[in-house]
Amino acid sequence: TQLLEQSPQFLSIQEGENLTVYCNSSSVFSSLQWYRQEPGEGPVLLVTVVTGGEVKKLKRLTFQFGDARKDSSLHITAAQPGDTGLYLCAGNTGGFKTIFGAGTRLFVKA
Amino acid sequence: DTGVSQDPRHKITKRGQNVTFRCDPISEHNRLYWYRQTLGQGPEFLTYFQNEAQLEKSRLLSDRFSAERPKGSFSTLEIQRTEQGDSAMYLCASTRGDRSNSPLHFGNGTRLTVT
Repeated sequence: TQLLEQSPQFLSIQEGENLTVYCNSSSVFSSLQWYRQEPGEGPVLLVTVVTGGEVKKLKRLTFQFGDARKDSSLHITAAQPGDTGLYLCAGNTGGFKTIFGAGTRLFVKA
Repeated sequence: DTGVSQDPRHKITKRGQNVTFRCDPISEHNRLYWYRQTLGQGPEFLTYFQNEAQLEKSRLLSDRFSAERPKGSFSTLEIQRTEQGDSAMYLCASTRGDRSNSPLHFGNGTRLTVT
């Protein structure tokens, strides 16, 4: 069974701190995606990683895809209150069915 | 690009009633997905369509659930004989292209409450 496990489930930090959230699986994924979801809205894509070992940066966010394409991480530098939200990783093992992890709920206090 | 539209935004129904939700995807998006999301969880895959063909259904989708996309444009999700456990946010997403990692564009969901 495909399963994406995210950790931590919940993170509450002060503005300006750095953080890393993780997405792990025992399955190999052809690609992994990170989405951010705010209350009452649908998830919005942040990034797609497709190559093992790939690192992508989006302003203060750095995404990494594991060498074996089974895991990924999201690092946020100098978190801001606007970063508050539910961060979801999602993946495909080759077909068109995209599955999601349970998410990491981030709260950044001013 | 007006985005993915879902209707209604909220639905409250009594146990045992039937409900139907509608999703209008971004025009020209050939794939359409339905997900269910409960509090504190990520979206759970229910089903997806390639044009009008329903290509995969999750085992989560009991025989009380049916989805259609008759003309390859909008889609409906019907739940018959609703149960309290059906209370959740139902999300629709669409995408285009032949790549499995094409980004999913989500609507803002229909929140169902079964009393």
